[in-house]
Formats: sequence, C-alpha cells, structure tokens
Amino acid sequence: KAGVTQTPRYLIKTRGQQVTLSCSPISGHRSVSWYQQTPGQGLQFLFEYFSETQRNKGNFPGRFSGRQFSNSRSEMNVSTLELGDSALYLCASSPDRGEETQYFGPGTRLLVL
Amino acid sequence: GESVGLHLPTLSVQEGDNSIINCAYSNSASDYFIWYKQESGKGPQFIIDIRSNMDKRQGQRVTVLLNKTVKHLSLQIAATQPGDSAVYFCAENNAGNMLTFGGGTRLMVKP
Repeated sequence: KAGVTQTPRYLIKTRGQQVTLSCSPISGHRSVSWYQQTPGQGLQFLFEYFSETQRNKGNFPGRFSGRQFSNSRSEMNVSTLELGDSALYLCASSPDRGEETQYFGPGTRLLVL
Repeated sequence: GESVGLHLPTLSVQEGDNSIINCAYSNSASDYFIWYKQESGKGPQFIIDIRSNMDKRQGQRVTVLLNKTVKHLSLQIAATQPGDSAVYFCAENNAGNMLTFGGGTRLMVKP
C-alpha cells in the first residue's frame, strides 16, 4: 500500500496570507490527524477527522482549521499567517478512530516570512 | 508523553552496542503507547507499540518496556546500527487518536 502523502512538501508564505495543506491517507484508513512540529514546542496535536467530522481538537487558535472529504482525504487551512506558524505540518492516518497506530506522512514544511 | 523541553537529549552509542531510550509520560489514564523514529527531513516512522495491559513487547531488534507505576516507557535497541541514528519519540494515546508526544531523544551511532 502507498503511504500517507502530503502536498505540497515545501511552502513559503508571508505574514497575513493563508495556506491550505493537503493529506491523502493510506488506502482504507478513515481517520486523519494533523500535527505541528517546531523546534520550540515539539510535536503538537492539531485535530483529528473521522468520517468527515472533527472528532478531537488540540489547543490551537481558530486560525487553524481543517476538513475531511468523503474519500478520507483531508485538508488543513491556516489563515492570517504569523511568523510563529513556521513549522513542519504532519498528517497521520489510522484505520479507524480509537487506539490504533497512526502512520505519518513526510510532512509539509511551511516557512512564513 | 511528558515534554522534556526544547533541548533534545542525545544518546551516543557505539555501533553494535545496545541502546536504551527512556520516556516519562504524563497521563496515568493513557493505555496505548507508541515509539516513533524520525530521520532528518522525514515524518515519524512507527517502530513498536504497547498497550497498558502489557509490560513488555518485543519486535525485531527492539523491545519496549512499560512501567505504569512510575509512568515510564523505555525503548531498547539491540545491536545498534548506523541506520538507527535518528530522533526517537514516545507517544501516548490520550483519547481517540490524539497523541501526546515526548520531547524526543537523539540517538547517534558511532561507527
């Protein structure tokens, strides 16, 4: 099976802009989670989607949002970008909601100037 | 997992030796734990997992130990190889698919 794929892999934006990142889960996986990784804060949970519904949400401002489509593909959006949003954004998928292994994609590296 | 701060602790081992990476977790109610390996420029890669009804689980060259009394996890890597050089994270599953990660440990393998 193909792994989790994320596009784009690299992105440069300026403050105030908005950005959309895309994630395609492993075939058959219905749960998609997003994480932010920075040198300062480490890996932090953003949100999880299952069956097109947000099931869990981390402690991030409302500028961070996401959605999931009927084919389980997911997008996350960050509006009004700030310098501190520069990070590696990771998507992970698992077969179903619950305590199952999450498999990560390679991430999208976002640089905000 | 408990965040150990922004400074990544580093474990340096000789090729062929065994490595032990430790992690403290924060939520006594967590009942599923995962170790991930992250190489530079890549996403975290699953290594091994363990549920709270176990205290030990073995994989290929890796063993995870769970001590619920002191909320401690360890990852043992046998016969460490240069390809094992990476940052290792423990993660606890708190609710649903929400993982809380530890701060990570950098493993450096000297040839």
